[in-house]
Amino acid sequence: QQPVQSPQAVILREGEDAVINCSSSKALYSVHWYRQKHGEAPVFLMILLKGGEQKGHEKISASFNEKKQQSSLYLTASQLSYSGTYFCGTETANFGNEKLTFGTGTRLTIIP
Amino acid sequence: DVKVTQSSRYLVKRTGEKVFLECVQDMDHENMFWYRQDPGLGLRLIYFSYDVKMKEKGDIPEGYSVSREKKERFSLILESASTNQTSMYLCASIQHGTAYGYTFGSGTRLTVV
Repeated sequence: QQPVQSPQAVILREGEDAVINCSSSKALYSVHWYRQKHGEAPVFLMILLKGGEQKGHEKISASFNEKKQQSSLYLTASQLSYSGTYFCGTETANFGNEKLTFGTGTRLTIIP
Repeated sequence: DVKVTQSSRYLVKRTGEKVFLECVQDMDHENMFWYRQDPGLGLRLIYFSYDVKMKEKGDIPEGYSVSREKKERFSLILESASTNQTSMYLCASIQHGTAYGYTFGSGTRLTVV
């Protein structure tokens, strides 16, 4: 079953903040975050592991709530380059095959 | 720079044809994956492989098969293409135990007419 992402789409002005959520009905071992720009392949942003710390650098960070099986991606002071569709990918067990189930994506549009 | 290369960017095939989509990675990764991406549905896993000659079904394997004869190459086969297989196909690879996530190929947009 795919994780649920919210919101499905969001429009922000440059400089505003955004939060994208990813929720699973299954116990999670890891959560990945990717960004895909139109016509391009998804690009890896970060991975959060069960028992690990909040990840991020400067303006893009993420957290993982193991009890709620949820992860959130935080984009601070958004830039035009942040536009794209964001996907979370979840791994439910550490089988070693790194098989991910992806959410349906959140389309982020940044306007000047 | 590490790479995952998909052989075709655009492909048009007729219904009933056998279609081969090729994916090659140069990173010596054990794990390779085939996803299809459709609007509103995100990325859905078709098949994956964690070693040479090993394969496992993903969430939507019907109508597809795969081949992994060499570590660097993972092929997706549409046995008899149908119009509902028109989609964007993405190949990805990842090193076991890495903290770096998937590397995706640029995708093959397949149209079945």
